[in-house]
Amino acid sequence: AQSVTQLDSQVPVFEEAPVELRCNYSSSVSVYLFWYVQYPNQGLQLLLKYLSGSTLVESINGFEAEFNKSQTSFHLRKPSVHISDTAEYFCAVSEVQGAQKLVFGQGTRLTINP
Amino acid sequence: GAGVSQSPSNKVTEKGKDVELRCDPISGHTALYWYRQRLGQGLEFLIYFQGNSAPDKSGLPSDRFSAERTGESVSTLTIQRTQQEDSAVYLCASSFQFDYNSPLHFGNGTRLTVT
Repeated sequence: AQSVTQLDSQVPVFEEAPVELRCNYSSSVSVYLFWYVQYPNQGLQLLLKYLSGSTLVESINGFEAEFNKSQTSFHLRKPSVHISDTAEYFCAVSEVQGAQKLVFGQGTRLTINP
Repeated sequence: GAGVSQSPSNKVTEKGKDVELRCDPISGHTALYWYRQRLGQGLEFLIYFQGNSAPDKSGLPSDRFSAERTGESVSTLTIQRTQQEDSAVYLCASSFQFDYNSPLHFGNGTRLTVT
């Protein structure tokens, strides 16, 4: 079985500041890793994912995450945030086969202040 | 449609009543998933459909929960004899294909409150 821990339930930052949202996981088998985002009044949507290859993955809106197998982490970072990044961010893992039975963390609410 | 649609958006029911939650996936999506999120917790996987069949029902919390999908389209999640611990947001997601290169598209969920 897998589990996901998002260490911060809320992260307030100022606009244009850097941000890191932390995610650690545990699993006895190989996993795929995901970050999903939920903007206000919208459904969850995929932000980025790691399946294989380069351990650094990027999204189209400037976020990146690095898979660190030794530290069992998949932290999400952005060097300069915008007001529009205000949302709840969920880290998730899944076994490397079969259906997308994702195990999610509890979420981190990112609030951007002007 | 433009996205995954779930109905109702909110449902308040008395303990012991049955409820039915509906999910309309994106047209052409073959895979459909049900998750739930209880207050202060992460999403929990419940069940998935590949076409109209459900190969894995291991996530259903009890035999009071059942789900079906017809015509590789609409799915319903039924909870019989609801209990207060069933209160949660129930989320449906669909994907074009049954592999990890097809991202999950989530609906806005049904917020179920059992009084």
